[in-house]
Amino acid sequence: EPEVTQTPSHQVTQMGQEVILRCVPISNHLYFYWYRQILGQKVEFLVSFYNNEISEKSEIFDDQFSVERPDGSNFTLKIRSTKLEDSAMYFCASRAGGYTFGSGTRLTVV
Amino acid sequence: GIQVEQSPPDLILQEGANSTLRCNFSDSVNNLQWFHQNPWGQLINLFYIPSGTKQNGRLSATTVATERYSLLYISSSQTTDSGVYFCAPSSPDKLIFGTGTRLQVFP
Repeated sequence: EPEVTQTPSHQVTQMGQEVILRCVPISNHLYFYWYRQILGQKVEFLVSFYNNEISEKSEIFDDQFSVERPDGSNFTLKIRSTKLEDSAMYFCASRAGGYTFGSGTRLTVV
Repeated sequence: GIQVEQSPPDLILQEGANSTLRCNFSDSVNNLQWFHQNPWGQLINLFYIPSGTKQNGRLSATTVATERYSLLYISSSQTTDSGVYFCAPSSPDKLIFGTGTRLQVFP
């Protein structure tokens, strides 16, 4: 069964540093998403991406965040200057009909 | 935006028991999925079920879109069923997750 692949699985970074989270969506999917889950809380929508542009973003997705599809396969989430409250599990998803989620990147900001 | 409520918030079962998890949503939806989040944090897709009933082994799900609810049935529960179950309807082009039902199954 096709999978959404995320790397790295874990990342620890110092406050103020930039991080890039990487995702390889399912190859024939056209819609891509980032979600995050703070420990013990529900999964929250960050941003959706279609046709090489952001189609919708939440209030969480402020100027510190950006997304990019640099080539035909990768989809990245960049956090420019990480804060302690950015510590969370970040999930990438892609969809054709139903949504398929990757295994997540656990980001810890220290 | 759409509101999603799941019940019960916590459920403790002995192995072999059956259970029903409920998801209510506040508006019409064009998609609904159930996920199991395992102890490692992975979101495992269980059902894509905008309407009707589906079954997969010991699990089945029913969505009544006109009444804005969905049910997930777990029969003959096993310890490996433990984790958090999320309902996520889409509105309109993104999934909105409920707060989940935390299930613990003891041997």
